[in-house]
Amino acid sequence: SAVISQKPSRDICQRGTSLTIQCQVDSQVTMMFWYRQQPGQSLTLIATANQGSEATYESGFVIDKFPISRPNLTFSTLTVSNMSPEDSSIYLCSATSGDTQYFGPGTRLTVL
Amino acid sequence: GQNIDQPTEMTATEGAIVQINCTYQTSGFNGLFWYQQHAGEAPTFLSYNVLDGLEEKGRFSSFLSRSKGYSYLLLKELQMKDSASYLCAVRGNTGGFKTIFGAGTRLFVKA
Repeated sequence: SAVISQKPSRDICQRGTSLTIQCQVDSQVTMMFWYRQQPGQSLTLIATANQGSEATYESGFVIDKFPISRPNLTFSTLTVSNMSPEDSSIYLCSATSGDTQYFGPGTRLTVL
Repeated sequence: GQNIDQPTEMTATEGAIVQINCTYQTSGFNGLFWYQQHAGEAPTFLSYNVLDGLEEKGRFSSFLSRSKGYSYLLLKELQMKDSASYLCAVRGNTGGFKTIFGAGTRLFVKA
């Protein structure tokens, strides 16, 4: 199994600023992902965080807006850049261990 | 591409059995997950099916038919705490084995 922690758990930010979310896994994992979940909706995949190389983004998400780092097999960051109120959401880090995909507790972001 | 369909809402009575269906269309398949999510919390892993058949785990069972693109989650002896959203998710076998989620089924358990 894998236990995932995220920091911060929540934040309130001003329009135009950026926030970096950290994700730490307690064991080495092959795959790490970042998802977004808007109120009352399901999870939308933002990107796959690749260790040592650029992330793979899903349609509708770009690196300039959501830069991602993954320097090793247990850690990743997601930055939400130049934020607007539409970016208010819960951001979830996820990792695959064996056949199971686990989720962190999420970061609740509110942009004013 | 991938498309996942599941009912939006279901209501059931405490102590009863409920079946939540999920149909999917995918260009590649490497397993199907079911997650439980209570409001304001992260999804919790329930089951993973990669082969056809039924997997039983306590009060929860999950079934998969790959040829039909169909799965269901069966919840027995329903409890009030089972009121939550249940998410069906499919993992592909290309492009980094990413997992795509359905919209979720909100289950209401009433006394």
